Amino acid sequence: ETGVTQTPRHLVMGMTNKKSLKCEQHLGHNAMYWYKQSAKKPLELMFVYNFKEQTENNSVPSRFSPECPNSSHLFLHLHTLQPEDSALYLCASSQVGDTDTQYFGPGTRLTVL
Amino acid sequence: QQPVQSPQAVILREGEDAVINCSSSKALYSVHWYRQKHGEAPVFLMILLKGGEQKGHEKISASFNEKKQQSSLYLTASQLSYSGTYFCATVTLRGDKIIFGKGTRLHILP
Repeated sequence: ETGVTQTPRHLVMGMTNKKSLKCEQHLGHNAMYWYKQSAKKPLELMFVYNFKEQTENNSVPSRFSPECPNSSHLFLHLHTLQPEDSALYLCASSQVGDTDTQYFGPGTRLTVL
Repeated sequence: QQPVQSPQAVILREGEDAVINCSSSKALYSVHWYRQKHGEAPVFLMILLKGGEQKGHEKISASFNEKKQQSSLYLTASQLSYSGTYFCATVTLRGDKIIFGKGTRLHILP
């Protein structure tokens, strides 16, 4: 397995459900990111983890809860979401202290009913 | 501060050239270019570091004018495979987090 992987690739959930998105990077990077991409909107940075420590929380509602147990894994826990949270959720990783080039996973397409 | 990309969208015929611009109001350390095809994740194309260098990647090249805080992406003799949305992303000299522009949609017609 190489690069950045995300599971699941597609997720449909009701507003009362609890689900989690998973991201794994195999690049030896020390920073991981969650982005949200909606139709007609640019990439919105949600969370940043450097060396497993959260360094950025871009005014994201508390119904999104990130977890970074180690530098290779990143989770996004979802609960009581709203239909407007339907979007493509992208994970990325980079090597802080290098060029900061980000490598993206394939994304999870989330639909909230 | 989000970088500003222009134009928002471009439609070309195969073989034609295109230029996509990216500008920032802040002093930049680096400019990154990504391409995202429909239904896929963004893919890194190239990075330009301060120093006004120009880089190339097949028939896609880019320049970085650090004095103007601008970068341009040049696509020559465009191919159908070039279709997608092109994003620039910038990192400031202050070391702020990377910020993506809104993207430029490029559509190549046969």
